[in-house]
Amino acid sequence: TQLLEQSPQFLSIQEGENLTVYCNSSSVFSSLQWYRQEPGEGPVLLVTVVTGGEVKKLKRLTFQFGDARKDSSLHITAAQPGDTGLYLCAARTSTNAGKSTFGDGTTLTVKP
Amino acid sequence: EPEVTQTPSHQVTQMGQEVILRCVPISNHLYFYWYRQILGQKVEFLVSFYNNEISEKSEIFDDQFSVERPDGSNFTLKIRSTKLEDSAMYFCASRSGTSENTQYFGPGTRLTVL
Repeated sequence: TQLLEQSPQFLSIQEGENLTVYCNSSSVFSSLQWYRQEPGEGPVLLVTVVTGGEVKKLKRLTFQFGDARKDSSLHITAAQPGDTGLYLCAARTSTNAGKSTFGDGTTLTVKP
Repeated sequence: EPEVTQTPSHQVTQMGQEVILRCVPISNHLYFYWYRQILGQKVEFLVSFYNNEISEKSEIFDDQFSVERPDGSNFTLKIRSTKLEDSAMYFCASRSGTSENTQYFGPGTRLTVL
């Protein structure tokens, strides 16, 4: 069974602070996605990373895929209350059907 | 922007009843998935579907579950005899093709079994 471990599970910070969320596995994945999920809604895609060492930026969010494609991080600069939510990492194997395995998620609260 | 849609948004049923959850994947996508998320728990894979057959299924997807693509647009999940523990959010997802890594998720159907 391929497991994705996210840390921290909960994170509460003040507006303006920086934070990093981690997603780790002992397995190698062909790709990894970061999603954001609001209560009662489906996961909304933020980014897909494919290449080991890849870094992608989405405004104040920076995503990195580990060189060995076993781990990833999400860094948010100058967090805002609108960033509050559940952040999920999900990874796919290289099989064609390629189900996604999800981490437990990180619940982020940004206080004004 | 194309998106995955699901109906109904909320389904309440009695234990032992059959339910059908419906999904319309993004047009021209070839791979289809069902996931579920029990309240407070992680998103779990149920089944993947490609070329009109199941590609992979998890241990959760037992004989009570079935999937079907009855026409060119709909993708359904049927639970024959619902149990209390089937209560969860059910998400449909689709992916365009072999070279595409991203699955796009629908808004989900909240199933409540009483």
